[in-house]
Amino acid sequence: EDKVVQSPLSLVVHEGDTVTLNCSYEVTNFRSLLWYKQEKKAPTFLFMLTSSGIEKKSGRLSSILDKKELFSILNITATQTGDSAIYLCAVKYGGSQGNLIFGKGTKLSVKP
Amino acid sequence: EADIYQTPRYLVIGTGKKITLECSQTMGHDKMYWYQQDPGMELHLIHYSYGVNSTEKGDLSSESTVSRIRTEHFPLTLESARPSHTSQYLCASLGSNRGAYEQYFGPGTRLTVT
Repeated sequence: EDKVVQSPLSLVVHEGDTVTLNCSYEVTNFRSLLWYKQEKKAPTFLFMLTSSGIEKKSGRLSSILDKKELFSILNITATQTGDSAIYLCAVKYGGSQGNLIFGKGTKLSVKP
Repeated sequence: EADIYQTPRYLVIGTGKKITLECSQTMGHDKMYWYQQDPGMELHLIHYSYGVNSTEKGDLSSESTVSRIRTEHFPLTLESARPSHTSQYLCASLGSNRGAYEQYFGPGTRLTVT
């Protein structure tokens, strides 16, 4: 059965800390891995990764994919209270047109 | 402004009522999706559509039904709501042009069935 597993499920840090969120997957016909940030409303897109070893970076956020070991990490440096959210990992799989399998998410709380 | 809308945002309703959750997008996307998300749990795909008059059931079995009569509109209906239907329902869309790879999500409808 296809699955996406995120860890930790929740994390509490202080402003300025660096955090690493993990996502491992077992998905048939893997096509790409996506990271979303979900605050109180809709998930918003962060990154899409298709190739191993190529880091995607946006400001203080960065992510990398390892297709051999079947995992991805999302790093956030110099965390701010505005980074508090649920971070979702999703895998797009082949044989469909854009369908995603989601992990449960990591709930990040950044305290001042 | 291109966007994806869901109404209502919050709904509290009694058991046995028929309800329709609305989802509309102004981006002209062919593909649309409905997800169900319980607190602390992952999003589960319950329905999807690749275009007008095309609907499919997702990975999670659901008693709801959907229709896609217009490209921009993808409503979800529960004929007889039950407390087990209490959840958050998220609608998403995806374009078919090259380079379209991220699903855009609506704000969600939080449904409570008493």
